[in-house]
Amino acid sequence: GAGVSQTPSNKVTEKGKYVELRCDPISGHTALYWYRQSLGQGPEFLIYFQGTGAADDSGLPNDRFFAVRPEGSVSTLKIQRTERGDSAVYLCASSLAGATETQYFGPGTRLLVL
Amino acid sequence: QKEVEQNSGPLSVPEGAIASLNCTYSDRGSQSFFWYRQYSGKSPELIMFIYSNGDKEDGRFTAQLNKASQYVSLLIRDSQPSDSATYLCAVGRNTGKLIFGQGTTLQVKP
Repeated sequence: GAGVSQTPSNKVTEKGKYVELRCDPISGHTALYWYRQSLGQGPEFLIYFQGTGAADDSGLPNDRFFAVRPEGSVSTLKIQRTERGDSAVYLCASSLAGATETQYFGPGTRLLVL
Repeated sequence: QKEVEQNSGPLSVPEGAIASLNCTYSDRGSQSFFWYRQYSGKSPELIMFIYSNGDKEDGRFTAQLNKASQYVSLLIRDSQPSDSATYLCAVGRNTGKLIFGQGTTLQVKP
């Protein structure tokens, strides 16, 4: 079946602009995760959704970052007033039921803030 | 101290040899352990997971977990050039959140 999909694959924006990154999880997966990966580092946890609600948003770096999953499927990560330090690959993952399940990653969105 | 530590490498092994990748973690409450492979420019791909102390084998891959020593490893037998990638160790407390190490770069030389 189809895996996790993310759009856009690449996004270039200017400092101070607003961006939205979209994630479509594997069909039937109730848990969805966002991570951020900088060059040479492992993925860094941002937020975890179980269904429509954020079960853990402890990884969001500041209030410029926000994520939603209104219908328990597709999720959107929103970044306001982007900064050059936000440049990274944003990875989305999903798992079948939640906390103990294996997470499967999408291809990522490469964000570049100029 | 990082929560999950890996030697960044590169680890270089000849084709056909055994590659041994190591990972230590600091949180004794950790309950789930994962190895992901990541090719350059691609997203992480799950290789194995392990929850209990001991060894778990899957084809050419063996994951080893020692909770007392807070240590998890991945052995790759009969290494192939196609195994050349970055290997990420990830640790979870069954809360959903995974903590990743920085990854070890493996180079398998023909």
